[in-house]
Amino acid sequence: DAGVTQSPTHLIKTRGQQVTLRCSPKSGHDTVSWYQQALGQGPQFIFQYYEEEERQRGNFPDRFSGHQFPNYSSELNVNALLLGDSALYLCASSLGQPKFNYGYTFGSGTRLTVV
Amino acid sequence: AQTVTQSQPEMSVQEAETVTLSCTYDTSENNYYLFWYKQPPSRQMILVIRQEAYKQQNATENRFSVNFQKAAKSFSLKISDSQLGDTAMYFCLAAGNKLTFGGGTRVLVKP
Repeated sequence: DAGVTQSPTHLIKTRGQQVTLRCSPKSGHDTVSWYQQALGQGPQFIFQYYEEEERQRGNFPDRFSGHQFPNYSSELNVNALLLGDSALYLCASSLGQPKFNYGYTFGSGTRLTVV
Repeated sequence: AQTVTQSQPEMSVQEAETVTLSCTYDTSENNYYLFWYKQPPSRQMILVIRQEAYKQQNATENRFSVNFQKAAKSFSLKISDSQLGDTAMYFCLAAGNKLTFGGGTRVLVKP
């Protein structure tokens, strides 16, 4: 039973560029959430997708957008990259929405470095 | 707003001994869940234990147990018989309509 798969594992981008990160949820899960984890800190909630719609959003600017596909996989897009966007981006899948009550399965993350 | 606070940035423990990690939270929701996750150097978050807020009985999972004090909004994690593989960052999470992480506690198990 495959867990959560994220790609790529590492990425280096230049300021001002755009980036797309991808996430495939655990088999049987239909909800995908994205988190930004700066070095040495706890993850911060970006947004959650369920039934191909953004259902919840954290305190992140509109430069952060996403999408969920019919197969439940998801993309995180970040436009106009800033140095401060450098972080580990985690994807988590779960079953059901809106309550996060079944536990989450996390991917290993994408390490984004903006130079 | 929902907040989670972990007041111990780092804890060290000798192998086979017990360590307790503290977590306090604040939420306005009546129905919520609490979790402890560990994040080893491999980066992958691994579920350690889960507590449903409406249940008074403390959750246990092998060597891991929690002390859930709902009135005090406290949710501490006890690791018994610590093993070298327990070395990791530990995060406390509160989950209502949104998921909020604490800042994490780094646990180092020494041989």
